[in-house]
Amino acid sequence: NAGVTQTPKFQVLKTGQSMTLQCAQDMNHNSMYWYRQDPGMGLRLIYYSASEGTTDKGEVPNGYNVSRLNKREFSLRLESAAPSQTSVYFCASSPSVGGRGYTFGSGTRLTVV
Amino acid sequence: AQTVTQSQPEMSVQEAETVTLSCTYDTSESDYYLFWYKQPPSRQMILVIRQEAYKQQNATENRFSVNFQKAAKSFSLKISDSQLGDAAMYFCAYAGGTSYGKLTFGQGTILTVHP
Repeated sequence: NAGVTQTPKFQVLKTGQSMTLQCAQDMNHNSMYWYRQDPGMGLRLIYYSASEGTTDKGEVPNGYNVSRLNKREFSLRLESAAPSQTSVYFCASSPSVGGRGYTFGSGTRLTVV
Repeated sequence: AQTVTQSQPEMSVQEAETVTLSCTYDTSESDYYLFWYKQPPSRQMILVIRQEAYKQQNATENRFSVNFQKAAKSFSLKISDSQLGDAAMYFCAYAGGTSYGKLTFGQGTILTVHP
């Protein structure tokens, strides 16, 4: 099925461990995004990539890094996980920077103990 | 920076009745988009309805409609003939201006539908 695929769906990390969340889209979208969802706070933008080869910080970038590997793939890396990074992470894509066509992945529930 | 506020953490409605979810936003931009997303327990983010700010006509999608008041910066969602499947978390979101392409979300409203 066409859309945005995130892996893994669930992950438990120990404090200080590192991991990479993978995201791939097959809709030929130019722009990709990483959000985190926390109770009572909605979704907040971590990083985004307006087009292949570019990345920019969002609202809550501290503790994260991203890589736009190619047009299809946009990964999110936690170098040294902290309990404050326990959250649900969503990847999304859109045809371009604009107000139409956002597609979300199914999310990754990450717990840092 | 743009902000989106949903002042109703929880709402409930009887099946077949109508419910309205509130959303206000703050922006200095004139060109932007507003969205309502539904998030059921599956976590999937589902687009319910989208409004372009330059269009005065309120968007409608079947049982879902919005009341867009641009001057008041208000964007409420009306769900008519509520169904059990409408139970979910609903998020209001904004995209536009200098943040074009990046969605700013409200805190969310949990909607419960009673049979």
